[in-house]
Amino acid sequence: VLTQPPSASGTPGQRVTISCSGSSSNIGPSFVFWYQQLPGAAPKLLIYRNNQRPSGVPDRFSGSKSGTSASLAISGLRSEDEAYYYCAAWDDGLSGPAWVFGGGTMLTVL
Amino acid sequence: QVQLQESGPGLVKPSQTLSLTCTVSGGSISNDSYYWNWVRQPAGRGLEWTGRIYASGITNYNPSLKSRVTISLDTSKNEFSLKLTSVTAADTAIYYCVRGKMDGSGSYMDYWGQGTPVTVSS
Repeated sequence: VLTQPPSASGTPGQRVTISCSGSSSNIGPSFVFWYQQLPGAAPKLLIYRNNQRPSGVPDRFSGSKSGTSASLAISGLRSEDEAYYYCAAWDDGLSGPAWVFGGGTMLTVL
Repeated sequence: QVQLQESGPGLVKPSQTLSLTCTVSGGSISNDSYYWNWVRQPAGRGLEWTGRIYASGITNYNPSLKSRVTISLDTSKNEFSLKLTSVTAADTAIYYCVRGKMDGSGSYMDYWGQGTPVTVSS
């Protein structure tokens, strides 16, 4: 339901952004959340309520939202940031309310 | 810190019922500041929310799975469970149990279990 680019890449130290596009039934009226999934691991909450970081998440990670789209920015890229990133939002669509996710973006650190 | 651990059969035959349990430690599933979710991830694909249950027992399910899903609580064991009926190969996935946190501004899913793989095959 949410649209993300399948891949993104950057070199160490660079700043990378990942987009997430939704609609008036999800991102528009709702907060956006971001999850990081390292290889072979469970997803981990990275950003909540558009731009809030849970304790322990470096301030290199930041989130923003505008209208029906959102973005995750990673500055000072590091090799350990190589992972899948998923956006999520609550959807109050006609088919029934549900949490919805983006398809995920694989971030490669070159 | 809360921890969630999934358990259940790793192999289910087509048309049968998939049953998984999530054991919660470090917190009570009866705490009405939280709700309890199942999220699945087919191999090499993205995440799909299956449904949730509140401490009160109220449930919400993904509309695409609603007719086949049941989530329940066992407060005596601090566990919650997922049942998915009439499974097909399309239900093959890693299944995660996830805590949902509620406060004055809304809710979100924060802590995830490590996930358990389930394969549907004869």
